Amino acid sequence: QLQLQESGPGLVKPSETLSLTCTVSGGSISSRSYYWGWIRQPPGKGLEWIGSIFYSGSTYYNPSLKSRVTISVDTSENQFSLILSSVTAADTAVYYCARLCDSGTNYWYFDLWGRGTLVTVSS
Amino acid sequence: DIQMTQSPSTLSASVGDRVTITCRASQSISRWLAWYQQKPGKAPRLLIYKASTLESEVPSRFSGSGSGTEFTLTISSLHPDDFASYYCQQYNSYSPYTFGQGTNLEIK
Repeated sequence: QLQLQESGPGLVKPSETLSLTCTVSGGSISSRSYYWGWIRQPPGKGLEWIGSIFYSGSTYYNPSLKSRVTISVDTSENQFSLILSSVTAADTAVYYCARLCDSGTNYWYFDLWGRGTLVTVSS
Repeated sequence: DIQMTQSPSTLSASVGDRVTITCRASQSISRWLAWYQQKPGKAPRLLIYKASTLESEVPSRFSGSGSGTEFTLTISSLHPDDFASYYCQQYNSYSPYTFGQGTNLEIK
């Protein structure tokens, strides 16, 4: 069964760069049937989509974060990564990686999620 | 952005009750709506996609309906395991994908 696992530092200083990796196991990230994405959830709050990537490297970003976000894919390692620059306390959140599926419709929803990792922005 | 508004924000109910959560979109999203369940400290779990299609292994007491701008999630008879938060999400437009603010379903 396919699983996703986030990894990366749990503490980042203000103005620095947040970097997370999602490792996909039990299946290939190079499947044409899926996109891969990042979503975050500040403590006690709702969900915010950050961006998504196809195995080919094609990306879509949330316009509200686009200037600070880069998502990349490493098919040889079966991983995809998130970089968020110039972080502030407002970027403190649980960060989830997820798989997007379209059931053949070309409209993509999140069908499988990682367990999430808490990133705190603090000096 | 397409705004998604859920109601109520909090719902108190008892085991065995039938409950309905509403999600409204700020513009038409056809049927491109998903529902997720989230328990404390856990990742969201997909329940329903395309407004009414039940994800594999999701109990049949969950159902979804609606199209355009108004959608509902119904649990026909609450089980103890159903007390959680529920989120709707539109995927009609990826610029950006947006979620409702969530509904906390709590035990009365």
